[in-house]
Amino acid sequence: AQSVTQLGSHVSVSEGALVLLRCNYSSSVPPYLFWYVQYPNQGLQLLLKYTTGATLVKGINGFEAEFKKSETSFHLTKPSAHMSDAAEYFCAMRPNTGNQFYFGTGTSLTVIP
Amino acid sequence: NAGVTQTPKFQVLKTGQSMTLQCAQDMNHNSMYWYRQDPGMGLRLIYYSASEGTTDKGEVPNGYNVSRLNKREFSLRLESAAPSQTSVYFCASRGTGSYNEQFFGPGTRLTVL
Repeated sequence: AQSVTQLGSHVSVSEGALVLLRCNYSSSVPPYLFWYVQYPNQGLQLLLKYTTGATLVKGINGFEAEFKKSETSFHLTKPSAHMSDAAEYFCAMRPNTGNQFYFGTGTSLTVIP
Repeated sequence: NAGVTQTPKFQVLKTGQSMTLQCAQDMNHNSMYWYRQDPGMGLRLIYYSASEGTTDKGEVPNGYNVSRLNKREFSLRLESAAPSQTSVYFCASRGTGSYNEQFFGPGTRLTVL
Protein backbone atom coordinates (compact mmCIF):
# COMPACT_ATOMS: atom_id res chain seq x y z
CA ALA A 1 0.00 0.00 0.00
CA GLN A 2 1.21 3.47 -0.82
CA SER A 3 1.64 5.86 2.08
CA VAL A 4 3.65 8.78 3.39
CA THR A 5 4.93 9.03 6.95
CA GLN A 6 6.08 12.25 8.53
CA LEU A 7 7.94 11.71 11.78
CA GLY A 8 7.17 14.37 14.34
CA SER A 9 3.87 16.19 14.21
CA HIS A 10 5.48 19.19 15.94
CA VAL A 11 9.02 20.48 15.54
CA SER A 12 10.47 23.50 17.33
CA VAL A 13 13.72 25.17 16.36
CA SER A 14 15.45 28.38 17.35
CA GLU A 15 15.73 31.17 14.85
CA GLY A 16 18.92 30.60 12.84
CA ALA A 17 19.06 26.88 13.61
CA LEU A 18 18.86 24.02 11.15
CA VAL A 19 15.40 22.85 10.14
CA LEU A 20 14.97 19.13 9.45
CA LEU A 21 11.54 17.70 8.67
CA ARG A 22 11.37 13.99 7.97
CA CYS A 23 9.39 12.19 5.30
CA ASN A 24 9.39 8.52 4.36
CA TYR A 25 7.30 6.96 1.64
CA SER A 26 6.06 3.47 0.99
CA SER A 27 5.93 2.48 -2.65
CA SER A 28 7.26 -0.45 -4.65
CA VAL A 29 8.56 1.95 -7.31
CA PRO A 30 10.02 5.38 -6.54
CA PRO A 31 7.11 7.80 -6.81
CA TYR A 32 6.88 11.49 -7.61
CA LEU A 33 7.56 13.41 -4.40
CA PHE A 34 6.53 16.85 -3.21
CA TRP A 35 6.74 19.14 -0.21
CA TYR A 36 4.01 21.69 0.42
CA VAL A 37 3.74 24.47 3.00
CA GLN A 38 0.54 25.76 4.55
CA TYR A 39 0.37 29.06 6.38
CA PRO A 40 -2.50 29.65 8.81
CA ASN A 41 -5.91 29.86 7.16
CA GLN A 42 -4.48 29.38 3.68
CA GLY A 43 -4.27 26.64 1.09
CA LEU A 44 -1.17 24.60 0.37
CA GLN A 45 1.69 26.00 -1.69
CA LEU A 46 4.39 23.98 -3.42
CA LEU A 47 7.82 24.22 -1.80
CA LEU A 48 9.65 21.81 -4.06
CA LYS A 49 9.29 18.60 -6.01
CA TYR A 50 11.54 15.72 -6.95
CA THR A 51 12.09 14.97 -10.59
CA THR A 52 14.53 12.41 -11.96
CA GLY A 53 18.15 13.43 -12.02
CA ALA A 54 19.79 15.20 -9.11
CA THR A 55 18.83 13.77 -5.75
CA LEU A 56 19.14 17.14 -4.00
CA VAL A 57 16.23 19.39 -4.87
CA LYS A 58 16.16 23.11 -4.21
CA GLY A 59 12.91 24.88 -3.51
CA ILE A 60 11.63 28.27 -2.56
CA ASN A 61 12.56 30.21 0.57
CA GLY A 62 15.91 28.39 0.96
CA PHE A 63 14.46 24.92 1.50
CA GLU A 64 16.02 21.79 0.07
CA ALA A 65 15.13 18.11 0.07
CA GLU A 66 17.23 15.06 -0.60
CA PHE A 67 15.81 11.96 -2.25
CA LYS A 68 17.33 8.74 -0.91
CA LYS A 69 15.98 5.71 -2.70
CA SER A 70 17.72 3.22 -0.40
CA GLU A 71 16.04 4.80 2.63
CA THR A 72 12.75 5.64 0.86
CA SER A 73 13.11 9.12 2.29
CA PHE A 74 12.66 12.69 1.12
CA HIS A 75 13.62 14.84 4.12
CA LEU A 76 13.25 18.61 4.01
CA THR A 77 15.97 20.90 5.32
CA LYS A 78 16.81 24.56 5.66
CA PRO A 79 20.18 25.67 7.04
CA SER A 80 18.90 28.62 9.03
CA ALA A 81 15.33 28.99 10.27
CA HIS A 82 13.52 32.29 9.99
CA MET A 83 10.47 33.39 11.93
CA SER A 84 8.50 33.44 8.69
CA ASP A 85 9.09 29.68 8.27
CA ALA A 86 6.58 28.91 11.01
CA ALA A 87 3.88 26.91 9.22
CA GLU A 88 2.54 23.41 8.58
CA TYR A 89 4.56 21.30 6.16
CA PHE A 90 3.21 18.37 4.19
CA CYS A 91 5.07 15.70 2.29
CA ALA A 92 3.16 14.13 -0.58
CA MET A 93 3.68 11.45 -3.18
CA ARG A 94 2.04 10.45 -6.41
CA PRO A 95 2.67 6.87 -7.59
CA ASN A 96 4.07 6.28 -11.05
CA THR A 97 0.63 5.40 -12.35
CA GLY A 98 -2.65 7.10 -11.60
CA ASN A 99 -3.72 10.55 -10.53
CA GLN A 100 -4.03 10.19 -6.78
CA PHE A 101 -1.75 11.97 -4.36
CA TYR A 102 -1.02 10.67 -0.87
CA PHE A 103 -0.23 13.15 1.89
CA GLY A 104 1.53 12.77 5.19
CA THR A 105 -0.20 13.97 8.32
CA GLY A 106 1.89 17.12 8.41
CA THR A 107 4.54 18.66 10.64
CA SER A 108 3.90 21.93 12.42
CA LEU A 109 7.09 24.00 12.59
CA THR A 110 7.53 26.52 15.37
CA VAL A 111 10.44 28.96 15.24
CA ILE A 112 11.56 30.32 18.61
CA PRO A 113 13.05 33.82 18.63
CA ASN B 1 -4.92 34.35 -13.30
CA ALA B 2 -7.00 33.61 -10.23
CA GLY B 3 -5.73 30.01 -10.01
CA VAL B 4 -8.12 27.85 -8.00
CA THR B 5 -11.09 29.56 -6.41
CA GLN B 6 -13.53 28.15 -3.89
CA THR B 7 -16.86 29.38 -2.61
CA PRO B 8 -17.99 29.88 0.05
CA LYS B 9 -15.09 30.58 2.41
CA PHE B 10 -17.13 29.76 5.51
CA GLN B 11 -20.38 27.91 6.06
CA VAL B 12 -22.37 26.76 9.08
CA LEU B 13 -25.00 24.07 8.55
CA LYS B 14 -27.42 22.23 10.77
CA THR B 15 -27.43 18.45 10.78
CA GLY B 16 -29.41 17.17 7.81
CA GLN B 17 -29.06 20.27 5.66
CA SER B 18 -27.52 20.07 2.22
CA MET B 19 -25.07 22.30 0.44
CA THR B 20 -22.72 22.44 -2.52
CA LEU B 21 -19.13 23.62 -2.40
CA GLN B 22 -17.97 25.22 -5.59
CA CYS B 23 -14.51 25.06 -7.13
CA ALA B 24 -13.18 26.56 -10.34
CA GLN B 25 -9.75 26.76 -11.95
CA ASP B 26 -8.55 28.89 -14.82
CA MET B 27 -5.33 27.02 -15.64
CA ASN B 28 -6.84 24.63 -18.19
CA HIS B 29 -6.00 21.68 -15.95
CA ASN B 30 -7.44 18.26 -16.65
CA SER B 31 -7.40 16.85 -13.12
CA MET B 32 -9.31 18.22 -10.15
CA TYR B 33 -9.55 17.01 -6.57
CA TRP B 34 -11.50 17.48 -3.35
CA TYR B 35 -9.82 16.96 0.02
CA ARG B 36 -10.82 17.40 3.61
CA GLN B 37 -8.33 18.48 6.26
CA ASP B 38 -8.80 17.52 9.88
CA PRO B 39 -6.35 18.13 12.76
CA GLY B 40 -3.67 15.46 12.93
CA MET B 41 -4.94 13.65 9.85
CA GLY B 42 -3.40 15.58 7.02
CA LEU B 43 -5.33 15.82 3.77
CA ARG B 44 -7.66 13.02 2.84
CA LEU B 45 -8.95 12.61 -0.68
CA ILE B 46 -12.71 12.61 -1.06
CA TYR B 47 -13.16 12.46 -4.83
CA TYR B 48 -11.14 13.33 -7.86
CA SER B 49 -11.70 13.84 -11.56
CA ALA B 50 -8.93 12.91 -13.94
CA SER B 51 -10.63 14.62 -16.85
CA GLU B 52 -13.89 16.23 -17.83
CA GLY B 53 -16.66 13.66 -17.62
CA THR B 54 -14.95 11.29 -15.19
CA THR B 55 -14.96 11.08 -11.41
CA ASP B 56 -13.49 8.57 -8.99
CA LYS B 57 -13.79 7.91 -5.29
CA GLY B 58 -10.92 8.67 -2.99
CA GLU B 59 -10.22 7.58 0.55
CA VAL B 60 -13.31 9.09 2.26
CA PRO B 61 -16.20 9.42 -0.25
CA ASN B 62 -19.11 8.44 1.99
CA GLY B 63 -21.62 11.22 2.46
CA TYR B 64 -20.41 13.22 -0.55
CA ASN B 65 -21.17 13.51 -4.22
CA VAL B 66 -19.32 15.39 -6.92
CA SER B 67 -19.99 16.85 -10.34
CA ARG B 68 -17.42 17.76 -12.95
CA LEU B 69 -19.55 20.39 -14.61
CA ASN B 70 -17.00 21.23 -17.28
CA LYS B 71 -13.23 21.42 -17.51
CA ARG B 72 -13.10 24.44 -15.20
CA GLU B 73 -15.54 23.49 -12.45
CA PHE B 74 -15.75 20.66 -9.94
CA SER B 75 -18.38 20.83 -7.21
CA LEU B 76 -18.77 18.85 -3.99
CA ARG B 77 -22.21 18.19 -2.54
CA LEU B 78 -23.23 17.18 0.93
CA GLU B 79 -26.76 15.80 0.69
CA SER B 80 -27.43 15.44 4.41
CA ALA B 81 -24.72 17.05 6.50
CA ALA B 82 -23.48 15.38 9.67
CA PRO B 83 -21.29 16.77 12.47
CA SER B 84 -18.53 14.38 11.34
CA GLN B 85 -18.30 16.42 8.14
CA THR B 86 -17.14 19.47 10.06
CA SER B 87 -13.80 20.14 8.40
CA VAL B 88 -11.83 22.38 6.09
CA TYR B 89 -12.34 21.44 2.46
CA PHE B 90 -9.74 22.08 -0.21
CA CYS B 91 -10.06 21.87 -3.95
CA ALA B 92 -6.98 21.32 -6.09
CA SER B 93 -6.17 21.03 -9.76
CA ARG B 94 -3.28 19.60 -11.72
CA GLY B 95 -2.13 19.80 -15.30
CA THR B 96 -1.12 16.87 -17.46
CA GLY B 97 2.50 15.82 -17.00
CA SER B 98 4.24 13.33 -14.77
CA TYR B 99 5.95 15.84 -12.50
CA ASN B 100 3.12 18.32 -12.29
CA GLU B 101 2.09 19.35 -8.83
CA GLN B 102 -1.33 20.20 -7.51
CA PHE B 103 -2.48 23.79 -7.11
CA PHE B 104 -4.76 24.40 -4.16
CA GLY B 105 -7.62 26.75 -3.48
CA PRO B 106 -7.92 28.77 -0.25
CA GLY B 107 -10.34 26.32 1.37
CA THR B 108 -13.87 26.28 2.75
CA ARG B 109 -14.32 26.03 6.49
CA LEU B 110 -17.50 24.06 7.17
CA THR B 111 -19.14 23.60 10.56
CA VAL B 112 -22.07 21.22 10.99
CA LEU B 113 -24.03 21.69 14.19
